[in-house]
Amino acid sequence: DIQMTQSPSSLSASVGDRVTITCRASQGISNYLAWFQQKPGKAPKSLIYAASSLQSGVPSKFSGSGSGTDFTLTISSLQPEDFATYFCQQYNTYPWTFGQGTKVQIK
Amino acid sequence: QVQLVESGGGVVQPGRSLRLSCAASGFTFSSSGMHWVRQAPGKGLEWVAVIWYDGSNKYYADSVKGRFTISRDNSKNTLYLQMNSLRAEDTAVYYCARDMWVRGPSDYWGQGTLVTVSS
Repeated sequence: DIQMTQSPSSLSASVGDRVTITCRASQGISNYLAWFQQKPGKAPKSLIYAASSLQSGVPSKFSGSGSGTDFTLTISSLQPEDFATYFCQQYNTYPWTFGQGTKVQIK
Repeated sequence: QVQLVESGGGVVQPGRSLRLSCAASGFTFSSSGMHWVRQAPGKGLEWVAVIWYDGSNKYYADSVKGRFTISRDNSKNTLYLQMNSLRAEDTAVYYCARDMWVRGPSDYWGQGTLVTVSS
């Protein structure tokens, strides 16, 4: 199975900060990488697919990049509604696998 | 608008069975692959299974292979997960999710249904 490793596991940031989360795959997955946001008690929400394509309705403050094994999710200016847990997921090979999550907390 | 509504969760004893359902609306269900993904309390996301739009292909996580069966009824716009020989470690919120295209990423997710395996 392809292992997905996110870093950091958690971070504290202030409103207006630029935040970057990284995700590394244990083997190359081309650009078959998605990012999800999850708030407590809610279902995950799709943000980005194909490493850098924004889902419909997702604000442009979210951006993704990378290919192969190394990927990043960037939030350009953190807002109160962005405090949540973020997961990456590879869909290159079954079984699909997720990163362990990055919790973004208020500083 | 796309809606996915899971049901069928509850408390079940170890070794027993449970069937989850996911009712879909707002899109052409018979054209979309569907997934089950679970999340144990306080833990991360674990992909469970996928079924292609026409039911022709199914894949499972090793942790559920041989115990869980994914199926669909395109005439009823409903996805199912038959869970047999349940274990304590199967306790989780179970989400259904829609493929954007064949072997593509998921876009819409249901709100989840909680399965608790406990004696």
